[in-house]
Amino acid sequence: GESVGLHLPTLSVQEGDNSIINCAYSNSASDYFIWYKQESGKGPQFIIDIRSNMDKRQGQRVTVLLNKTVKHLSLQIAATQPGDSAVYFCAENVDSGGSNYKLTFGKGTLLTVNP
Amino acid sequence: AAGVIQSPRHLIKEKRETATLKCYPIPRHDTVYWYQQGPGQDPQFLISFYEKMQSDKGSIPDRFSAQQFSDYHSELNMSSLELGDSALYFCASSLGGRDYEQYFGPGTRLTVT
Repeated sequence: GESVGLHLPTLSVQEGDNSIINCAYSNSASDYFIWYKQESGKGPQFIIDIRSNMDKRQGQRVTVLLNKTVKHLSLQIAATQPGDSAVYFCAENVDSGGSNYKLTFGKGTLLTVNP
Repeated sequence: AAGVIQSPRHLIKEKRETATLKCYPIPRHDTVYWYQQGPGQDPQFLISFYEKMQSDKGSIPDRFSAQQFSDYHSELNMSSLELGDSALYFCASSLGGRDYEQYFGPGTRLTVT
């Protein structure tokens, strides 16, 4: 079955450093991934997505890398700021058939940015 | 910009009671998703609706039911509550189709005592 998970449960970085959050998946047919940020007491917030026809996508201070060979993706945050402190989830947008879609989340990584 | 609205934000119930959670999607969004997030856990998909019809079902207990109404708001009804039902319940809305982002509401924190 499909499975999306994270290697590291916590990550602590200094303000201004770059952060890298990793995620592994098991289904080689997976083709659409999304990174979410969840701050305490709030719902998940979309950060960036990537389809399997790409291996890299960049946003504002964020980059997602997808390695289909080893079924791994990562989220890189440049010049990490205290406001980046949150739990980060990778999720797969699963096509469950009949135009039905759902998100399957991996285990979150808690990012703590130290000033 | 309008966001997804969920009510109530906090709810305390006793075991075996019933709870109703409400979700008001972003205007013009026709698809609603419900997710359950236990303490320290990742969100788990429960159920979704597209154009007022149930479109997909995840690991939702038989004690739970949900529907989407003509104005596109959705309600999650939970009966015979158990301690293990204590969790954050998120509603997300989107336009129909896989290419559209799911926007999450702030969640309802349900505590069963």
